[in-house]
Amino acid sequence: NAGVTQTPKFQVLKTGQSMTLQCAQDMNHEYMSWYRQDPGMGLRLIHYSVGAGITDQGEVPNGYNVSRSTTEDFPLRLLSAAPSQTSVYFCASVNSFGFTEAFFGQGTRLTVV
Amino acid sequence: AQSVAQPEDQVNVAEGNPLTVKCTYSVSGNPYLFWYVQYPNRGLQFLLKYITGDNLVKGSYGFEAEFNKSQTSFHLKKPSALVSDSALYFCAVRDSAGGGADGLTFGKGTHLIIQP
Repeated sequence: NAGVTQTPKFQVLKTGQSMTLQCAQDMNHEYMSWYRQDPGMGLRLIHYSVGAGITDQGEVPNGYNVSRSTTEDFPLRLLSAAPSQTSVYFCASVNSFGFTEAFFGQGTRLTVV
Repeated sequence: AQSVAQPEDQVNVAEGNPLTVKCTYSVSGNPYLFWYVQYPNRGLQFLLKYITGDNLVKGSYGFEAEFNKSQTSFHLKKPSALVSDSALYFCAVRDSAGGGADGLTFGKGTHLIIQP
């Protein structure tokens, strides 16, 4: 009964480095999203996917890439890390019905130095 | 475009007293409304939702929320606060007219502090 699993939980990167944040869900949800959480700003949508092979941009997509090759996995790639990307990142999934609640992972705390 | 406002950054309540965390929203269609709670260093946990029907919805841990269409509000309430209720609370809205994958727009969050 894992739900949404994110790895790693913590990461420190140097400016310019790249990395991938992993997200996996075992609920067969079609919809998956990535959010970043910054103090006083709530959660902001980075990218989302409505199914395998389909992705789209959210509110703050610059500097991030995503892909969705399977229903279960939705990795987020930082192409060239910048200090402005220091944040807590959350992955979420929801089934195909618009009025059901989203399930969130535990988060990845990323620091870019 | 849809939006959510949580007008209070922080709410302080004495243990045993009733609590209210405020939320107002704006959508073009009908709103689907949600409350989530976040404990330190944890992800968001679902508390309750309003989709349709009775304006008073009950959720986890004794929380409830009242949907008021005329005031476009969805305030979170609890009759008697516990110290363990101290956390960060997020209101979120999804427009029935669609938008995005999960289409959720979140408020900035309200820190609820329950004093013993």
